[in-house]
Amino acid sequence: QSVLTQPPSVSAAPGQKVTISCSGSSSNIGNKYVSWYQQLPGTAPKLLIYENNKRPSGIPDRFSGSKSGTSATLGITGLQTGDEADYYCGTWDSSLSVGVFGGGTKLTVL
Amino acid sequence: EVQLVEFGGGLVKPGGSLRLSCAASGFTFSSYSMNWVRQAPGKGLEWVSSISSSGSYIYYADSVKGRFTISRDNPKNSLYLQMNSLRAEDTAVYYCARGLAWELLHLDYWGQGTLVTDSS
Repeated sequence: QSVLTQPPSVSAAPGQKVTISCSGSSSNIGNKYVSWYQQLPGTAPKLLIYENNKRPSGIPDRFSGSKSGTSATLGITGLQTGDEADYYCGTWDSSLSVGVFGGGTKLTVL
Repeated sequence: EVQLVEFGGGLVKPGGSLRLSCAASGFTFSSYSMNWVRQAPGKGLEWVSSISSSGSYIYYADSVKGRFTISRDNPKNSLYLQMNSLRAEDTAVYYCARGLAWELLHLDYWGQGTLVTDSS
């Protein structure tokens, strides 16, 4: 059971938009920045979003992040078949003094 | 170019020990916190441990506390994870990852991972 809760799967058609939610608590998402990672099959995770809504160099603006209270959301627009991957949210839990990830969401582009 | 290369994984008997290493290059290693993250077969990501840039501050997941020890050698640009009293549930791909800031899980570069497998 992960500290952060994500939907197990989401799907959408190519060109459409999808959002992935990440729910936590006041000790993690509520007072810490959130990051998002993309893991393509058979590869290491890749940082997509940090500090809730910032994109590292090279990440297209089709990917966006937001946070409100104890929840965060990853948005992906203009879906491509290459976006099919597992997506994870992550943050620090200040009460437990541990890093925490969501359980992951599998994105299918139909 | 930032590179992180893990090695040292392999088959290990329950109760055994293993030392993972991560060789860093392409950045000033001593300026960044470092982390170990693992992923059991077919499962999600699990944070394992973090060490500050100087090595003075360390955190562990409860699942490994008392059994695993993270360390670093800044002059050698290397990160380590000493794993003792290994259990079947420790079977996973272990990734080292660079941290953008302390006490934030912002991991901007990851290695390719090294597999630790329970031999039973």
